Amino acid sequence: AQTVTQSQPEMSVQEAETVTLSCTYDTSESNYYLFWYKQPPSRQMILVIRQEAYKQQNATENRFSVNFQKAAKSFSLKISDSQLGDTAMYFCAFGRYQLTFGKGTKLSVIP
Amino acid sequence: NAGVMQNPRHLVRRRGQEARLRCSPMKGHSHVYWYRQLPEEGLKFMVYLQKENIIDESGMPKERFSAEFPKEGPSILRIQQVVRGDSAAYFCASSPPRLAGDGGTDTQYFGPGTRLTVL
Repeated sequence: AQTVTQSQPEMSVQEAETVTLSCTYDTSESNYYLFWYKQPPSRQMILVIRQEAYKQQNATENRFSVNFQKAAKSFSLKISDSQLGDTAMYFCAFGRYQLTFGKGTKLSVIP
Repeated sequence: NAGVMQNPRHLVRRRGQEARLRCSPMKGHSHVYWYRQLPEEGLKFMVYLQKENIIDESGMPKERFSAEFPKEGPSILRIQQVVRGDSAAYFCASSPPRLAGDGGTDTQYFGPGTRLTVL
């Protein structure tokens, strides 16, 4: 079975600081994609960043970057210069077309 | 370019009634996925459809649930004889057509969800 573990149910960070959200997963597949989605209080699911498993280079999107360790099946998200609008639930997910999601990390950015 | 649209945003049904959830994919997208989110949980895959075809329904409950994506019109997730345990947020996502030989996936873009409450 494919599983995703997000070991930090809740985290907080001061505005302008950096925070890292952890994610580990388990799969026997070799070709898959990994994602971080953000769910603010509006409950809309918003794509934050995507990584192809066959690429060694870590993906970066503005203030968001990942540390992808394929052998360790680890896919952490780093948020730099945290902003109040980053307050949300963050979900790690992976798969090909059937995505498997973790239970989420609730991130609060403190002014 | 409009995003994925879902309606209604909120739906209240009494036990035993039918619930119909609609999803219009992003323009140019031909793949639709349905997920369910229970309180305090991540999303759980239900079904993957292309136009007029169900590709993978391994996450769908065996009874009372069905999905379709007709040639014309939105994708529909139908829940018959709803029970309290069906109360959840139902999300639809879409992705563009895949390139020939591409065994992977493209990014799934999600709609705002439909929150179903069964009384």
